[in-house]
Parts: sequence; C-alpha cells; structure tokens
Amino acid sequence: AQTVTQSQPEMSVQEAETVTLSCTYDTSESNYYLFWYKQPPSRQMILVIRQEAYKQQNATENRFSVNFQKAAKSFSLKISDSQLGDTAMYFCAFRVGGGGADGLTFGKGTHLIIQP
Amino acid sequence: ETGVTQTPRHLVMGMTNKKSLKCEQHLGHNAMYWYKQSAKKPLELMFVYNFKEQTENNSVPSRFSPECPNSSHLFLHLHTLQPEDSALYLCASSYPGNTIYFGEGSWLTVV
Repeated sequence: AQTVTQSQPEMSVQEAETVTLSCTYDTSESNYYLFWYKQPPSRQMILVIRQEAYKQQNATENRFSVNFQKAAKSFSLKISDSQLGDTAMYFCAFRVGGGGADGLTFGKGTHLIIQP
Repeated sequence: ETGVTQTPRHLVMGMTNKKSLKCEQHLGHNAMYWYKQSAKKPLELMFVYNFKEQTENNSVPSRFSPECPNSSHLFLHLHTLQPEDSALYLCASSYPGNTIYFGEGSWLTVV
C-alpha cells in the first residue's frame, strides 16, 4: 500500500512571494505517477501538475514547478509569483503506473492562503 | 467545464430515504471512480470501475451501491444512510493509468 504525507496543514504567504509545499510518499512500486491537485473554495479538484516517476526532469507548468527527489521519495510543489487566486487546499497524490485503473492515494492537504 | 458532470450538486436526505448521485463524463475515458471527502479526513477512494466492471471496493458499507451501465455514466445509489455519511462525494474519470479528472462534487447531508 502507498502512503502520502503532507506535513504542513496550513501556510500563508504574501502575494507575489514564492512558496513551497512539501510532500513525501512511501511505495514499493517502481512505476508510478505523482500529482498536485488544487481545491479552491468551490471544492472543484483541479490538476495542477503531474510527474512521471521514470522522468528525471522536474515537471513545470507556468508558475508551478516540482522538485522530485525519487530516492528520498519527496515531491514538493513550488509556486512562484503567488496570486490571490492560488488560495486553496493543495493535495499531493500518488498513482500506480501501468494500464490499470488504480485510484489516487491522497495526502491530507495543505491549506495555502495568499495574503494581499 | 471539466468534462465530468455530477448531479445533483446538493442533496439533503433522511436516513430512511433512497436517493442516487449521478456522474457523466464526456472525455471518452474508460475508468470511473467515486471518492468521499469528509471534514478533517483525507479523500477516500470508494469504488473503481474499468470498462464498466467494478475493480475496486474499498470496504464501503452496503448502504452505498454503485452502478456503471456504460463507460460514460456512474451512479451511487444511497439507502438508509447515517449522519456520518454526510460529505462531499466526488466522481472522477480517466484513461487507465493516466491522469484522473474530477467533477465538481455532490454535497450530501443526511438528516
């Protein structure tokens, strides 16, 4: 079984600052994917970024980037130039790779607040 | 517009009622999922369907009964629920092994 741990229940930064959200995971699988999802007050779960475990290059998506450390089983999310609209719950999630329909295993989430 | 539509968005039901949540995906995916999100708990995977066949049931009580008539539709039938079943129920879909996309959720309150 997989576990995902997010050790920061809540974080608060000023607008335009850079913030890093932490995530560690535990698995015996070698083929897997890692994700960050954002859940704003509307509760819509929105994909932020995805990382394939076999890729050494860290994924980036505009202001969002990850630091994927496979040996350390660490997967942090960096948000640059933070904006008020980034205020949301952020969930780190794990999924086994391959052609199966395994679901996601989620962490407990980090509530990120961007202050004006 | 996420491609995954859930109805109703809000539902209040008594403990003796029977109701259903509906999910429809317009993304051509083959796998569909039900998740439960309660306050102060991580998201819990309830059921997985792959090509209409149930492949996972995470020890969900029988008062929750899923139905997947085709790869585009997923239902969650609710019967004699308890107040602790009040939560946000999220439907999702994906191609097997690929990114999972979520609907906007159905808020359920059991009174």
